[in-house]
Amino acid sequence: KAGVTQTPRYLIKTRGQQVTLSCSPISGHRSVSWYQQTPGQGLQFLFEYFSETQRNKGNFPGRFSGRQFSNSRSEMNVSTLELGDSALYLCASSSSGQETQYFGPGTRLLVL
Amino acid sequence: AQSVAQPEDQVNVAEGNPLTVKCTYSVSGNPYLFWYVQYPNRGLQFLLKYITGDNLVKGSYGFEAEFNKSQTSFHLKKPSALVSDSALYFCAVRDQNRGSTLGRLYFGRGTQLTVWP
Repeated sequence: KAGVTQTPRYLIKTRGQQVTLSCSPISGHRSVSWYQQTPGQGLQFLFEYFSETQRNKGNFPGRFSGRQFSNSRSEMNVSTLELGDSALYLCASSSSGQETQYFGPGTRLLVL
Repeated sequence: AQSVAQPEDQVNVAEGNPLTVKCTYSVSGNPYLFWYVQYPNRGLQFLLKYITGDNLVKGSYGFEAEFNKSQTSFHLKKPSALVSDSALYFCAVRDQNRGSTLGRLYFGRGTQLTVWP
């Protein structure tokens, strides 16, 4: 099976812009979770989607949002970008959320 | 609250020597425990997990981990380190009994492992 794929791999944006990141889970997986990784804060949970519903949400401002489509692909959106949003954004998929999560290669976002 | 501690930011070992990367956790219920590895500019790669059963769990690339409930620890080990094992290692936990946190992993800060020739 193909692994988790994320697009784009790299992004450069300026403050105030918005960005959309995409994640395609492993075939058959219905749960998609998103994490932000920064040197200062480490790995922080953003949200989890299962069957097109947000099931879980981390402690991030409302500028961070996401959605999941009927084919389990997921997108996350960050509006009004801030310098502190520069990070590696990782997507992970699992069958139902209870099993092992498998991670994609990440999208590295740089906000100037 | 659920949390994970990796007390060592960095572990250095010589190739061929055994290695240990430490992890302790805190959950209110029964833990699911995981180890992941991250190479530069890559995502996280699953190594092994503990769900239930035997306290010694074997995983990929010769790694194993020992679950100790009384010490709430889940240390990662390998009998003989390779230079190619040099990477960033993350321990993660999820509470089996908290349905509200399904799909959410709590990670430690990571331990940079360097294996020198």
